[in-house]
Amino acid sequence: AQTVTQSQPEMSVQEAETVTLSCTYDTSESNYYLFWYKQPPSRQMILVIRQEAYKQQNATENRFSVNFQKAAKSFSLKISDSQLGDTAMYFCAFKGIQGAQKLVFGQGTRLTINP
Amino acid sequence: ETGVTQTPRHLVMGMTNKKSLKCEQHLGHNAMYWYKQSAKKPLELMFVYNFKEQTENNSVPSRFSPECPNSSHLFLHLHTLQPEDSALYLCASSLQTDRSGANVLTFGAGSRLTVL
Repeated sequence: AQTVTQSQPEMSVQEAETVTLSCTYDTSESNYYLFWYKQPPSRQMILVIRQEAYKQQNATENRFSVNFQKAAKSFSLKISDSQLGDTAMYFCAFKGIQGAQKLVFGQGTRLTINP
Repeated sequence: ETGVTQTPRHLVMGMTNKKSLKCEQHLGHNAMYWYKQSAKKPLELMFVYNFKEQTENNSVPSRFSPECPNSSHLFLHLHTLQPEDSALYLCASSLQTDRSGANVLTFGAGSRLTVL
């Protein structure tokens, strides 16, 4: 069974700094999808970025980018020029291609951006 | 707003009550999900419906009963719950036939349930 591990329960940085959230996963599949979701306080969870495993190029969405290391089964999220609105819970998630629509989530990292 | 609406946003109920959570989406999605979010635990998938048919029941106790009358609506009926069932219940939807295969989920804001 696939597992996703986020080893940082909480992180805190100053506004405008760069922060990296860690995520590792375990799977025997060769192709799959990885996601980072953001859940702001009392608001809906939204997709931040996604990566398909067979694509070697790291995904980028504006200030958000990932460092995907397939051999190491690592999928970290980098937030550049952090903003107060980035304060949220961040969840790393895995979805295999072969299985049903089961998205496996990590425990989450609570990120606080301080002014 | 993501397009997935959940009601009520907050619910307090006793262990003998019967209540229901409702989820609605008009995104044209054909798969709907219930997740349970508890403090300091990963999101737990409870149920999956594809084209109104239940395709996954993740060993959820029978005191939780899902209903999907059509592809746009999903209910979670609650009966004789326990205090440990207190959690945030998230509904999500997706396009099962998404060509990319990513099947990206769109979440609602959740229903915060407290069982006394």
